[in-house]
Amino acid sequence: GAVVSQHPSRVICKSGTSVKIECRSLDFQATTMFWYRQFPKQSLMLMATSNEGSKATYEQGVEKDKFLINHASLTLSTLTVTSAHPEDSSFYICSARTGTIDAETQYFGPGTRLLVL
Amino acid sequence: GQNIDQPTEMTATEGAIVQINCTYQTSGFNGLFWYQQHAGEAPTFLSYNVLDGLEEKGRFSSFLSRSKGYSYLLLKELQMKDSASYLCAVLDSNYQLIWGAGTKLIIKP
Repeated sequence: GAVVSQHPSRVICKSGTSVKIECRSLDFQATTMFWYRQFPKQSLMLMATSNEGSKATYEQGVEKDKFLINHASLTLSTLTVTSAHPEDSSFYICSARTGTIDAETQYFGPGTRLLVL
Repeated sequence: GQNIDQPTEMTATEGAIVQINCTYQTSGFNGLFWYQQHAGEAPTFLSYNVLDGLEEKGRFSSFLSRSKGYSYLLLKELQMKDSASYLCAVLDSNYQLIWGAGTKLIIKP
């Protein structure tokens, strides 16, 4: 159980375009989802915490107008990188809490590798 | 501030045992997680400790001492596929996950 999917797995785009990444919990309802970014050989960096039906909470230094997060349902959260630039190239990973007996465990999606040219 | 320390890199031999240590200083404690992350992939959940002691799960075991702010992940009968980064993370008093930088484990034949 506790499967999280992400789409797309890889995207290449031109500078200035917007990219949407979807995160879905496939076999459970996720009241809370998290978005991380990971640069090569570095640890995970939490970008924002997303709760269903409310605005996302962004970490310090993360521009909320650039990284738009929508948690439309208990199984879907989206991250839109607006006007992407080469420095936004990174590995974006979502995770979700099940909210059940292992409520605090985060299960990760497979990640989306973004390359901005 | 909040801090999690783990070694940057470790090397071990196939078939052997390795222990990866993690020490933490956080504002509150609601549990400690270990995740495995292969290169280019997302982390996968290994273990969760909230009480002192050893939790065994197959070849992997995780130990916690809250009084010492210390945990370790023990991997037995190492296999080549165990080559990965191992991430220690602590859930603080606000139920935020604080991540360590990860330990890259290299397994040699």
